[in-house]
Amino acid sequence: QKEVEQDPGPLSVPEGAIVSLNCTYSNSAFQYFMWYRQYSRKGPELLMYTYSSGNKEDGRFTAQVDKSSKYISLFIRDSQPSDSATYLCAMSTNTGNQFYFGTGTSLTVIP
Amino acid sequence: KAGVTQTPRYLIKTRGQQVTLSCSPISGHRSVSWYQQTPGQGLQFLFEYFSETQRNKGNFPGRFSGRQFSNSRSEMNVSTLELGDSALYLCASSRGNLNEKLFFGSGTQLSVL
Repeated sequence: QKEVEQDPGPLSVPEGAIVSLNCTYSNSAFQYFMWYRQYSRKGPELLMYTYSSGNKEDGRFTAQVDKSSKYISLFIRDSQPSDSATYLCAMSTNTGNQFYFGTGTSLTVIP
Repeated sequence: KAGVTQTPRYLIKTRGQQVTLSCSPISGHRSVSWYQQTPGQGLQFLFEYFSETQRNKGNFPGRFSGRQFSNSRSEMNVSTLELGDSALYLCASSRGNLNEKLFFGSGTQLSVL
């Protein structure tokens, strides 16, 4: 079993929709949680960075962490065609500098 | 501020050859990490260098090695290439404190024929 599981999609939504992306994990030692966006032929770009449980909001993006369920989510409000990309979750423990990534969810926002 | 720069962008090699990839981190960043990205496995951690020392290592064979120079630039070497080494190799830099945000380059796409 992988340490981080992420539904690969693909996910296709109309412009303006609310998008929900999710990851589950097995290692209860994970404390830091990140979401990256990756466009085709580009490196991942950091969107959200959170520590431990709770919510964090940045513009149209909201990250949620539920450590009791080992489940994290990224919500995108008022989705735009420019949001079409692959979204990667990542997480790490307190003790190392190694990040564990999900395999990514491919999102297409249709105008 | 310039981002993370990786060279070359594309590389084609044959089995058995070796390859060296280069990464220049963001100015002021002292940590460089390397990841392998494939469609089936996603991003997998190779190793991390900080102040010219390997600080962390993933579960890759010894054919994969790296080093970091005094200016924080890093190189990654893969010897005796195998078909399965075909992947996007990503370099990420950070200031170097534990669990700092990682900033990625655009990667080197390696194809092994």
